[in-house]
Amino acid sequence: QKEVEQNSGPLSVPEGAIASLNCTYSDRGSQSFFWYRQYSGKSPELIMFIYSNGDKEDGRFTAQLNKASQYVSLLIRDSQPSDSATYLCARRDNYGQNFVFGPGTRLSVLP
Amino acid sequence: DGGITQSPKYLFRKEGQNVTLSCEQNLNHDAMYWYRQDPGQGLRLIYYSQIVNDFQKGDIAEGYSVSREKKESFPLTVTSAQKNPTAFYLCASSIEGEAFFGQGTRLTVV
Repeated sequence: QKEVEQNSGPLSVPEGAIASLNCTYSDRGSQSFFWYRQYSGKSPELIMFIYSNGDKEDGRFTAQLNKASQYVSLLIRDSQPSDSATYLCARRDNYGQNFVFGPGTRLSVLP
Repeated sequence: DGGITQSPKYLFRKEGQNVTLSCEQNLNHDAMYWYRQDPGQGLRLIYYSQIVNDFQKGDIAEGYSVSREKKESFPLTVTSAQKNPTAFYLCASSIEGEAFFGQGTRLTVV
C-alpha cells in the first residue's frame, strides 16, 4: 500500500524543548517529502520540503530523510506554544504526481 | 496577490441536494487537487487534474464530480449520492514541488 504513517499523538513537550515528529512511508518510488503545519480549522501551510537523504535545516526546523529506511522526521528546536498544531507528513512521487498525506501528529507545547 | 481562493467558506446542504464548491487559482499551476478532511483525520484525495480538460479519480471519488474547463478553475460538486458529505474540503494546486492550499470550505448537511 502506498501509505504514509504517523503517530497521531498528542505529543506534548515543554516550551523550549525539542519536538521530534516521525513519519514512515511504504512506496519506494517516493521522491519528495513535505511537512505541513495545520492549525485547528485552518488549511495546511508548508513548513519544509526535503528531496535528498540527510538533514535540511531552516531556522528552528530540521527535516531528516532516510530513503533506505523509508523514514522522514521533523525536529522543532526551542518549541514555542505557537508551534502547537497538527503536523502533516506528505510524499510525492514523480510518476503519480500526487501527494499522499499521513494522518498527522498533534503537537502540544506546554508553557 | 497570487493564491488559491475557495468559496464559500461555510456551506450548508440539505439532504438530496447537490452543491458546488469553487476553487480558483492565479498561480498559473497546471495541477489542481481536491481533498476531504474529517475531524482528527488526514487529507484524502477526491479528484485531481494535471491539465485542462482532464481529471482523474482519487481514493474517495464516489459521490463527487469535477470539471476543469479552465486552467484557473477546478470546481467540485458534491452530489446527493455522497451520503456523508459533512467535512472540511481543501483545494490545492501545484506546478513542481509543494502543494499550495486554499482556505478550505466547511460543508455541513442540515
